[in-house]
Amino acid sequence: GESVGLHLPTLSVQEGDNSIINCAYSNSASDYFIWYKQESGKGPQFIIDIRSNMDKRQGQRVTVLLNKTVKHLSLQIAATQPGDSAVYFCAEEDSGTYKYIFGTGTRLKVLA
Amino acid sequence: NAGVTQTPKFQVLKTGQSMTLQCAQDMNHEYMSWYRQDPGMGLRLIHYSVGAGITDQGEVPNGYNVSRSTTEDFPLRLLSAAPSQTSVYFCASSHRTVAKNIQYFGAGTRLSVL
Repeated sequence: GESVGLHLPTLSVQEGDNSIINCAYSNSASDYFIWYKQESGKGPQFIIDIRSNMDKRQGQRVTVLLNKTVKHLSLQIAATQPGDSAVYFCAEEDSGTYKYIFGTGTRLKVLA
Repeated sequence: NAGVTQTPKFQVLKTGQSMTLQCAQDMNHEYMSWYRQDPGMGLRLIHYSVGAGITDQGEVPNGYNVSRSTTEDFPLRLLSAAPSQTSVYFCASSHRTVAKNIQYFGAGTRLSVL
């Protein structure tokens, strides 16, 4: 079975409720931020991104919010579905070095 | 559509052995990277490359070598395997623009070092 992510923080939400997953970043030089979803046994998949000149961006059922003052990023998932159950990672890129760094991740469990 | 292909999918090594994890992409992406994923640690960047002939170190480069002789391939070499290198390894590639750098990941290589 999948052993990755055993110690990740977990967010449990009822099906149909909204989910909010948070992420803190530390590099002030980061100017591009991305959310990825990782299902068991698979590589991460892109969900949504945002550049530092924006504070909000919306996709289909997902919204990313960026607060540069406190170096905080959040992912909001509307009407959470069982298929949303996965581990979610934020990532940041420093456009000066091209380094692309991932956060620790949060496991989302959707309760029926 | 092959995307990013990693081989092997599983590997068991003895301490001190060397091996190469293969990564190939068919999307003509110039940016490629290697990560390791340990329980509770998320993905940590090992090495990355912004184009053929150019490589750079990430967060945890010690014990690993890379080269980028072609756009398509970005192999990761373990010089002398240690139990601490037991992990899941992911390769990713992207076409980086001024506005975006969305990485596409392979399925991973699960490595155990005994």
